[in-house]
Amino acid sequence: QQQVKQSPQSLIVQKGGISIINCAYENTAFDYFPWYQQFPGKGPALLIAIRPDVSEKKEGRFTISFNKSAKQFSLHIMDSQPGDSATYFCAAYNSGGSNYKLTFGKGTLLTVNP
Amino acid sequence: DAGITQSPRHKVTETGTPVTLRCHQTENHRYMYWYRQDPGHGLRLIHYSYGVKDTDKGEVSDGYSVSRSKTEDFLLTLESATSSQTSVYFCAISVGTGSETQYFGPGTRLLVL
Repeated sequence: QQQVKQSPQSLIVQKGGISIINCAYENTAFDYFPWYQQFPGKGPALLIAIRPDVSEKKEGRFTISFNKSAKQFSLHIMDSQPGDSATYFCAAYNSGGSNYKLTFGKGTLLTVNP
Repeated sequence: DAGITQSPRHKVTETGTPVTLRCHQTENHRYMYWYRQDPGHGLRLIHYSYGVKDTDKGEVSDGYSVSRSKTEDFLLTLESATSSQTSVYFCAISVGTGSETQYFGPGTRLLVL
């Protein structure tokens, strides 16, 4: 059972445009939602994360929007650049659980055309 | 890179042979994880460890075993490699008081012929 559903699988955006990646979760016990960025041949790297006590978190051109009632969160990349081309993973974590693990979405391959 | 190294970085092996991948960390973090990454499947947890000699299964643990005899090393063993285990394997650690913030190693690309 996939507990975090990520869409789209792939996304092509023009330079300067806005990239939007969406995730939905089922387990209401999740209380930490990170996004990871992975370049080809590299390991995933933590990009930005949010907790459900806020509806939005912004770091530079990257913003997480969080909708607790809908159990959805999304990553917005403003002014997308070719250097943002990578695979993006959303994830969710239950800090009150006992299994110490993140649940990942299946990833979105973002291509930003120059 | 949070002081994580993986070895080997690339390996080609034959079906039926045992394979051991090593993850080494330099900062004595308690939690360590092994994932595999395959197209269309994202990152899937194989095994994880929450301390020396304390390990547990993830969602795709069949055919894999792990050991952690000291804090800095977490070993993943494919007991008898199969072609379905061709994948990229990532080790990760958690930092801080909780375990939600994970940092990944550079990965090991394994090809089983």
